[in-house]
Amino acid sequence: DGGITQSPKYLFRKEGQNVTLSCEQNLNHDAMYWYRQDPGQGLRLIYYSQIVNDFQKGDIAEGYSVSREKKESFPLTVTSAQKNPTAFYLCASKEQGWTGELFFGEGSRLTVL
Amino acid sequence: QQQVKQSPQSLIVQKGGISIINCAYENTAFDYFPWYQQFPGKGPALLIAIRPDVSEKKEGRFTISFNKSAKQFSLHIMDSQPGDSATYFCAASGDPGGSQGNLIFGKGTKLSVKP
Repeated sequence: DGGITQSPKYLFRKEGQNVTLSCEQNLNHDAMYWYRQDPGQGLRLIYYSQIVNDFQKGDIAEGYSVSREKKESFPLTVTSAQKNPTAFYLCASKEQGWTGELFFGEGSRLTVL
Repeated sequence: QQQVKQSPQSLIVQKGGISIINCAYENTAFDYFPWYQQFPGKGPALLIAIRPDVSEKKEGRFTISFNKSAKQFSLHIMDSQPGDSATYFCAASGDPGGSQGNLIFGKGTKLSVKP
């Protein structure tokens, strides 16, 4: 079955540690996205990538980094510079263009202890 | 101008009733308006979408109404069921150049349908 796989589903981190969230898709989509979801805040765009080896900052990129070395993979690193990293993180992908369905993974919940 | 304003933040409806969620936008370059449904602990999924060349689109119990002059669109859920209890997000996108057509999401509406 085609889809987006995020891992881990739950992650705990101590303050000062970097963590990397995995996102893999087998939908052959060019565009991939990372969103952060907090209660009452909706979905806020962290980073996005339209093609391999290229990515752009979204609205809340500070304290995060990404890479796009393969079409299928778009990992997100939450660095120690992110002041409030506890959140639900969602990866998504879609075909190129501004219309069309955005497919989401099931999310990764990060908790900073 | 890039915002999409969604209301209400939460909504409680009795089973069989009509749920109505409203969204408003400012950017006239937007020309694609989807609604996403999210169950707890899951990622959102596309529910229904509309382009501004039509004023209404219906899929089963779900209807989008679109008012281009008012720059508003709404989701109507007819005969609401407990299984419809979820968070609903409206969104908008267009081809405004710099943003490369990324979806702009509303802040979401948590719908609870009481049996």
